[in-house]
Amino acid sequence: AQTVTQSQPEMSVQEAETVTLSCTYDTSESDYYLFWYKQPPSRQMILVIRQEAYKQQNATENRFSVNFQKAAKSFSLKISDSQLGDAAMYFCAYSNYGGSQGNLIFGKGTKLSVKP
Amino acid sequence: EPEVTQTPSHQVTQMGQEVILRCVPISNHLYFYWYRQILGQKVEFLVSFYNNEISEKSEIFDDQFSVERPDGSNFTLKIRSTKLEDSAMYFCASIDPGKSYNSPLHFGNGTRLTVT
Repeated sequence: AQTVTQSQPEMSVQEAETVTLSCTYDTSESDYYLFWYKQPPSRQMILVIRQEAYKQQNATENRFSVNFQKAAKSFSLKISDSQLGDAAMYFCAYSNYGGSQGNLIFGKGTKLSVKP
Repeated sequence: EPEVTQTPSHQVTQMGQEVILRCVPISNHLYFYWYRQILGQKVEFLVSFYNNEISEKSEIFDDQFSVERPDGSNFTLKIRSTKLEDSAMYFCASIDPGKSYNSPLHFGNGTRLTVT
């Protein structure tokens, strides 16, 4: 069975600085998706960024980028120029490729605090 | 942008009572999901629903749970006899059928269920 591990329960970053959140996963599949979701105090789950495993290029979305290391099964999220609004729980998630794509396996999350 | 809406935002019920959580997925979406998040823990997949039937379910989704799409717009999760351990945030989500192999989940804001 697939698993997702986030080893940092909490992280803190100074406003305007850069922070990296770690995620490792385990799967025997060769094709799959990886995601980072943000959950602010409003509780909504917001997709931050997504990576298809078959793509070698790391995904980027504005200030958010990932370091996808397929062989190491590592998928870290880098937030550049951190803003106060980035403070939230961040969940790493995995899904198989294909029809089960909506069946996500989540990590336990990392609580990110942003200091002014 | 269309949203997944969930009602109520917070529901309190007594142990042993039946509860129905309601969701209105995005109108052209045909794949629907329920997830659960116990306070302080990770988000867990419960069930996926397509073409008026369950396509996948987790071990959590036992005989006390059922899902239904009664009228073509609502998607409900019923817990027949609630237990204290059912207290959690329940998230509904949906996917665009035209892009099911390359589209992220759209989550609702969640319903916080408290069983007393």
